[in-house]
Order: sequence, then structure tokens, then C-alpha cells
Amino acid sequence: EAQVTQNPRYLITVTGKKLTVTCSQNMNHEYMSWYRQDPGLGLRQIYYSMNVEVTDKGDVPEGYKVSRKEKRNFPLILESPSPNQTSLYFCASSPGPSYEQYFGPGTRLTVT
Amino acid sequence: LAKTTQPISMDSYEGQEVNITCSHNNIATNDYITWYQQFPSQGPRFIIQGYKTKVTNEVASLFIPADRKSSTLSLPRVSLSDTAVYYCLVGDNGRYSTLTFGKGTMLLVSP
Repeated sequence: EAQVTQNPRYLITVTGKKLTVTCSQNMNHEYMSWYRQDPGLGLRQIYYSMNVEVTDKGDVPEGYKVSRKEKRNFPLILESPSPNQTSLYFCASSPGPSYEQYFGPGTRLTVT
Repeated sequence: LAKTTQPISMDSYEGQEVNITCSHNNIATNDYITWYQQFPSQGPRFIIQGYKTKVTNEVASLFIPADRKSSTLSLPRVSLSDTAVYYCLVGDNGRYSTLTFGKGTMLLVSP
């Protein structure tokens, strides 16, 4: 089944403890991206990747890192999480530079 | 990136047709119009995409007037399960860039 998977789905952590949220797609898509969604602010793009080893900042990249060493994986790294990064995170992918994107199920992160 | 304006919320009843309009006055020549649907705590789901005139698929229709400064998503005969947030996005479909989702339109379908 064609899909985007994220792990973990739920995570509670403490300020400053490094964490990684994984994202994987099985559709051989070139483009992958990360979003966060907060009440009243909608979906905002954090980072995106056009292909392996090619990434660029979205609207809200501060406090996040990404890497794209393999085409299928696009992990989101929070080196030193803070409470303002408590949010619902989505990973997405698409075959190319298209607005038709496939979203993962989401990861709910709480930083205390 | 063209800015979009949508109603914050809409109400409807089961079986009715729902039209959600999106305004995008500064749409560029290469920009496409794309609509997504999102249920609570789920990722957005692509509904439909178009460039001009009318596009129809098994889920919805998208109407785009000649000046392309607005577009209308039409959902025929809605059901309770169509209750969701609907987002309108406008951008160049042919190049990589940041995608900006607005706040969307919360559609509430009642029995």
C-alpha cells in the first residue's frame, strides 16, 4: 500500500532532550516536507527536500534540522526541544514539484 | 506566492451542494489552484487541482473563472463525513517552493 509513515505517533519529552521523528514513504517520491500544525495558525511548512541531499527551509525552520540521505526517508530532528515546539507534525511527499502531496498520519509532540 | 482568502466557516445539511469560494487576486500565470481536505488529527488529503475553467473528479468539482482571481470548490450532496477543514492553495505547480496553507474553511454538515 502506498503510504507515508511517521514514528512515533505520540511523544512526550522534556526541554532540551534531543529527539528525532522519522518519516518514510514507499512511493519513490522525490519531494518530501515537514509541517507543523497549531491551533489558530494552520499548517506551516518547516523544511522541504527536492531530492537526496537537497533540502531547503520552509516558513518556520528555526529549532529544527532535517536530513535526506535516502530517497525514502526524511527525519525531523529537534536538537534541543522547547515547549513552543509542542505541536502536531506532519510529513508529506510528492512525485515532483507538485501541489498534490501525500501526508502522513501525524506525530503529536509535547515538550514540557 | 499568491495569498488566498476563504471563509472561516460554513454550515450545511446532508444532501445539499456546498460551494466554497477562494479568492486569490494576485495569482500568477504559472500558478495552479489546489484544494485539500483535513479531518481532525489527520493529515490533509488532496481533493482536486486545476488551472482554468472546470475540473471534475469523483469527489468534487473546481470552477475557475477566466480571470482566475477566484475559484470555487463544489461538493455535491454532502454527508456528515464531509465535515472537515478545506484548504485552498495557489502556487507554481512546476517548481519546488514552500507550500503555504492558510487557515482554511471549517465545513460543518448537520443531519
